[in-house]
Amino acid sequence: DAGVIQSPRHEVTEMGQEVTLRCKPISGHNSLFWYRQTMMRGLELLIYFNNNVPIDDSGMPEDRFSAKMPNASFSTLKIQPSEPRDSAVYFCASRLGLDPDTQYFGPGTRLTVL
Amino acid sequence: AQKVTQAQTEISVVEKEDVTLDCVYETRDTTYYLFWYKQPPSGELVFLIRRNSFDEQNEISGRYSWNFQKSTSSFNFTITASQVVDSAVYFCALSGFSPGGGNKLTFGTGTQLKVEL
Repeated sequence: DAGVIQSPRHEVTEMGQEVTLRCKPISGHNSLFWYRQTMMRGLELLIYFNNNVPIDDSGMPEDRFSAKMPNASFSTLKIQPSEPRDSAVYFCASRLGLDPDTQYFGPGTRLTVL
Repeated sequence: AQKVTQAQTEISVVEKEDVTLDCVYETRDTTYYLFWYKQPPSGELVFLIRRNSFDEQNEISGRYSWNFQKSTSSFNFTITASQVVDSAVYFCALSGFSPGGGNKLTFGTGTQLKVEL
């Protein structure tokens, strides 16, 4: 079975540019999570969705970040405009149920903002 | 608030040694779940185990074993006869339980394990 799919795997962009990260959760999973990993702050939850509905976006750093989940098989995380401090690895994870089931992570997108 | 502490930042062992990674957690939930994930040098996060707060039985899976002790709020991970392929960052994580969903994972800061020949 396919796991969580993220694209692109690597993204290098210049400050001020718009960046869009994409995620396809495991088929049948109804919860989706976006995390950011940096050396300084470790793994941080940015936002999560249940049944395509954003439940908690308190981890989104600021208005430059936005996330959408138009359907059960696709989500995007957008940064506009990007800044060098946004450089990090962004992970998407999905989970089967509302219960504290296991989250399965994608391979991550390494974002570098110059 | 939930908190996970992995006090060991980095551990180096020689192959075939046993190694234990410590995890201490804090939560006010009576029902909660504990997890271990592995992050190899390639970067992905690999799920290893999930334990719920009502099950204190230790678990063994091959060379891996986990010791869950509610009395000390610890969920330690032991690798027996370590191998170079075990070199990775290992994260302990905690999830509370709220009926209706919305559970979030709280991660520790990770322990970097280096297994050398």
